[in-house]
Amino acid sequence: QVQLQESGPGLVKPSDTLSLTCIVSGGSVTSGTYSWSWIRQPPEKGLEWIGNIYSRGSTNYNPSLKSRVTMSVDTSKNQFSLKLTSVTAADTAVYYCAGLLLGQCFDYWGQGALVTVSS
Amino acid sequence: QSALTQPASVSGSPGQSITISCTGSSSDVSAYKYVSWYQQHPGKAPKLMIYDVSSRPSGVSNRFSGSKSGNTASLTISGLQAEDEADYYCGSYTSSSLWVFGGGTKLTVL
Repeated sequence: QVQLQESGPGLVKPSDTLSLTCIVSGGSVTSGTYSWSWIRQPPEKGLEWIGNIYSRGSTNYNPSLKSRVTMSVDTSKNQFSLKLTSVTAADTAVYYCAGLLLGQCFDYWGQGALVTVSS
Repeated sequence: QSALTQPASVSGSPGQSITISCTGSSSDVSAYKYVSWYQQHPGKAPKLMIYDVSSRPSGVSNRFSGSKSGNTASLTISGLQAEDEADYYCGSYTSSSLWVFGGGTKLTVL
């Protein structure tokens, strides 16, 4: 059973860079059946897909965030990461990492990490 | 890339059936079979309930079913139970190789 766990600072200052890592256990980040995604949920709001990355490093990003987002994969540590630059209060959200099965559906989710943007 | 449209809330009594709609466009819902539904209880991560429009993952009750007609996908829950009370989100693959979610529907079991 694949398990995902987000880690990173819970508080980020405005204009700084938000950095999160998702550790994959019970499976391999190099799996041919999964790509790896980040999804966020602002307080009391709905889900927003941020983007996904394949194990070889190719990416797809939400156009609304593309200029500020970078995703990467570290196969040696079996983890993948998210960086979001120039954050504002609007980036305050619970950030989830998720496994995207064969491009069909998000069937594995981390527990979520609350990131607050505030000075 | 616009969010898919879901009703903000639906409600039903125990034992009844409810349906939640998810309306997209020719670039997402109607173009692909990759429509999925997620259940989210307060403070918890979303859980996959339906994938590929109408398939259920192992372990998900057969009270949950999905369908699609044109630009609109639907989730039906039959035999409503108290534990079904949650937020439900649809998601769809899009023609730009991106993913989009609906705004979410709050299900209240009366």
